[in-house]
Amino acid sequence: RKEVEQDPGPFNVPEGATVAFNCTYSNSASQSFFWYRQDCRKEPKLLMSVYSSGNEDGRFTAQLNRASQYISLLIRDSKLSDSATYLCVVSHLNGGYQKVTFGTGTKLQVIP
Amino acid sequence: DVKVTQSSRYLVKRTGEKVFLECVQDMDHENMFWYRQDPGLGLRLIYFSYDVKMKEKGDIPEGYSVSREKKERFSLILESASTNQTSMYLCASSLQLEAFFGQGTRLTVV
Repeated sequence: RKEVEQDPGPFNVPEGATVAFNCTYSNSASQSFFWYRQDCRKEPKLLMSVYSSGNEDGRFTAQLNRASQYISLLIRDSKLSDSATYLCVVSHLNGGYQKVTFGTGTKLQVIP
Repeated sequence: DVKVTQSSRYLVKRTGEKVFLECVQDMDHENMFWYRQDPGLGLRLIYFSYDVKMKEKGDIPEGYSVSREKKERFSLILESASTNQTSMYLCASSLQLEAFFGQGTRLTVV
């Protein structure tokens, strides 16, 4: 089983729609969780961290469910500019350093 | 603004060549990483370093080595390039948990 699993998509949604991605992780000792965004032919960039209490940044909401070992990203009122690949990132302590594992990414295409 | 710079955007090398990929960061970060990204496989960690002259193997170190002689510079070395090393290579640096990536080097081995 992969350490971090995501549905690769693509998710094709119309402008204005709400879309949600899930990501599951296998290591129950995982401590930190993030969503990164990667545009086509560009490097990944941090979108938001994911906190136990859930967090919101404008149209984006991230949630963590430790019991079921998944994190989610909700995008409301999708814009064309939201089209990108969204990478789930999970980290845990491994022998004194943080081991960071990336999911393979979920591709989102917002359609006019 | 953190800046992570990779020396080349595109490289074409021949099988058997020794290849150097350079990465420089300007934010005095302790941790630096080399990943490769392939379709359907996501980002896979090759090597990382948490201090000068320190290095740790990641998930796929075979066929690669690294060098960190100065804090700001982390080099990835392909000792004898092979066609299965054709990939996008991404360097990253971090101080705490947020990683900042370079723009990537697309390496083609022919």
